[in-house]
Amino acid sequence: GAVVSQHPSWVICKSGTSVKIECRSLDFQATTMFWYRQFPKQSLMLMATSNEGSKATYEQGVEKDKFLINHASLTLSTLTVTSAHPEDSSFYICSALDRVLQETQYFGPGTRLLVL
Amino acid sequence: GQQLNQSPQSMFIQEGEDVSMNCTSSSIFNTWLWYKQDPGEGPVLLIALYKAGELTSNGRLTAQFGITRKDSFLNISASIPSDVGIYFCAGQGSGSARQLTFGSGTQLTVLP
Repeated sequence: GAVVSQHPSWVICKSGTSVKIECRSLDFQATTMFWYRQFPKQSLMLMATSNEGSKATYEQGVEKDKFLINHASLTLSTLTVTSAHPEDSSFYICSALDRVLQETQYFGPGTRLLVL
Repeated sequence: GQQLNQSPQSMFIQEGEDVSMNCTSSSIFNTWLWYKQDPGEGPVLLIALYKAGELTSNGRLTAQFGITRKDSFLNISASIPSDVGIYFCAGQGSGSARQLTFGSGTQLTVLP
């Protein structure tokens, strides 16, 4: 089955530093990937849609200069949290839309970010 | 962002009992999906529904896509301890972006 990986699975950083999270589709190509954020005991909230070879589309209220997204290939999208602050601590989950099976989004295992 | 109305918020049931949860939306969706999320992990797809009125089963799970395209329910029969987790509904629109809108989740606890 289709597998999406994320790296790292968890990260602890100091306030003010930048953190990069990778999302990879391992056995399929994904022209579109999505980035979600999930706070404790809450649902997944879409942050942005990442399209291969073009600029990401951000949801209302999500700062594009703070959450940099790069979708440089059909199997890799990265989310960089710049100048992280404690309020950015959350569970970040990506999903990838199979290029062929356009109906199906496959989710990664998530990345736990803790900003001290 | 927009969320779907999912109920109940939490459920405590005895092992062997059946469970039902549902989602409603003010918007029409072309696809309804049900996911299960275990702590510290990403959501895993349980059932996908593509047509209004569709009733689909996956083992002990049964889900239906409402006729109005604004609601869906998920039933779990004969619950077992490993059913514990958070269940999310999600609606997918018809736009080219194929974005998902998630429900607020149902926390299921199965008591032995």
